Amino acid sequence: GNSVTQMEGPVTLSEEAFLTINCTYTATGYPSLFWYVQYPGEGLQLLLKATKADDKGSNKGFEATYRKETTSFHLEKGSVQVSDSAVYFCALSGYSGGGADGLTFGKGTHLIIQP
Amino acid sequence: DSGVTQTPKHLITATGQRVTLRCSPRSGDLSVYWYQQSLDQGLQFLIQYYNGEERAKGNILERFSAQQFPDLHSELNLSSLELGDSALYFCASSAVQGLGEKLFFGSGTQLSVL
Repeated sequence: GNSVTQMEGPVTLSEEAFLTINCTYTATGYPSLFWYVQYPGEGLQLLLKATKADDKGSNKGFEATYRKETTSFHLEKGSVQVSDSAVYFCALSGYSGGGADGLTFGKGTHLIIQP
Repeated sequence: DSGVTQTPKHLITATGQRVTLRCSPRSGDLSVYWYQQSLDQGLQFLIQYYNGEERAKGNILERFSAQQFPDLHSELNLSSLELGDSALYFCASSAVQGLGEKLFFGSGTQLSVL
């Protein structure tokens, strides 16, 4: 069935550091891949997505490339800010429970950026 | 603001009780999804409705049920509550059904079972 594995947190970085959050997936077919972000006290919101192999999603300085050969979708940012502190979720389309249109999420990575 | 409204924001109740969580999707969105978020399990898909009909079921317990009404709002009913049901329950909506569709999430209902 579909599953997403992402690195455990919390990940603590200093401002302006380079960020990588690893995400690998298991899926049947050709899913779309997503990164969602959850700020404190809020719901999840879409950060970026990629719909096919070798696509690069990007938004707000974050990037992730759909790598079919390594079944990965790692999130990167060249220079993080304190305002990037949040929980980041990797997700893929489809759910192994039977024909759903929803998303299968990883457990989330809590990112803490220190000034 | 995602446009998805969930009420109440917080709910405190006792074991054995029954509660109803409510979700109003974004205007025009036909699909509603319910997710449960807990520290140990992460974000678990519970159930999806599309235009009033159940579309798919995930890890939803038999004590839980949901429905989507003609005006497209949805309710999640949790009964015979246990301590382990304490979690953040999210509703999300999307415009159409189809893999890869962007979901819009509400702010969640924090359920505490004492």
